Amino acid sequence: EIVLTQSPGTLSLSPGERATLSCRASQSVSGRYLAWYQQKPGQAPRLLIYGASSRATGIPDRFSGSGSGTDFTLTISRLEPEDFAVYYCQQYGSSPYTFGQGTKLEIK
Amino acid sequence: QVQLQESGPGLVKPSQTLSLTCTVSGGSISSGGYYWSWIRQHPGRGLEWIGYIYHSGSTYYNPSLKSRAIISVDTSNNQFSLKLSSVTAADTAVYYCARKDTLIVNAGFDYWGQGTLVTVSP
Repeated sequence: EIVLTQSPGTLSLSPGERATLSCRASQSVSGRYLAWYQQKPGQAPRLLIYGASSRATGIPDRFSGSGSGTDFTLTISRLEPEDFAVYYCQQYGSSPYTFGQGTKLEIK
Repeated sequence: QVQLQESGPGLVKPSQTLSLTCTVSGGSISSGGYYWSWIRQHPGRGLEWIGYIYHSGSTYYNPSLKSRAIISVDTSNNQFSLKLSSVTAADTAVYYCARKDTLIVNAGFDYWGQGTLVTVSP
């Protein structure tokens, strides 16, 4: 099973700042089968990025993903108030599909 | 617009079987092209993929559930279901159904239900 470790656990930033979230895999994620999700309290996760760097439908271009192999990054170029939430990475290149433990992005 | 909606009992007794159904609207399961999945989230914790089913009935499960999970599909009612046997308190979680495109390379889970909390308690 591929273990995904996200860092930091909590990130405190202000609106307008740049956020950089990390996801490290215990072994290489094949085919860049890596996704990022945003989850707000009481809501289901929302797909932001798939294939490591492709934005899902309707996702603003301030969200970008990069990386390959074992190291992946989600960048939010300029934080909006609605971006403060928990972010999860997920690999689906090998079974079982696994998720990281999440990064909480909070307002500073 | 595709929508998924979970339904089922919110309370299950230990050792019994948890049964949930996901009703899909705005798209047909029988048309193929998607994996229909169950994912759960323990209170205050991360996400765990349970398994998926294709419209043909092919399934794949997370081995961590030790064969307790069974996912089935009812194309006539555009639904798919989860049965999880021999539940314990550790199965208390919010259960989500979700869709993953099989035709787009590297697609993620793009549509999710709102989730339903299932509590395992005597």
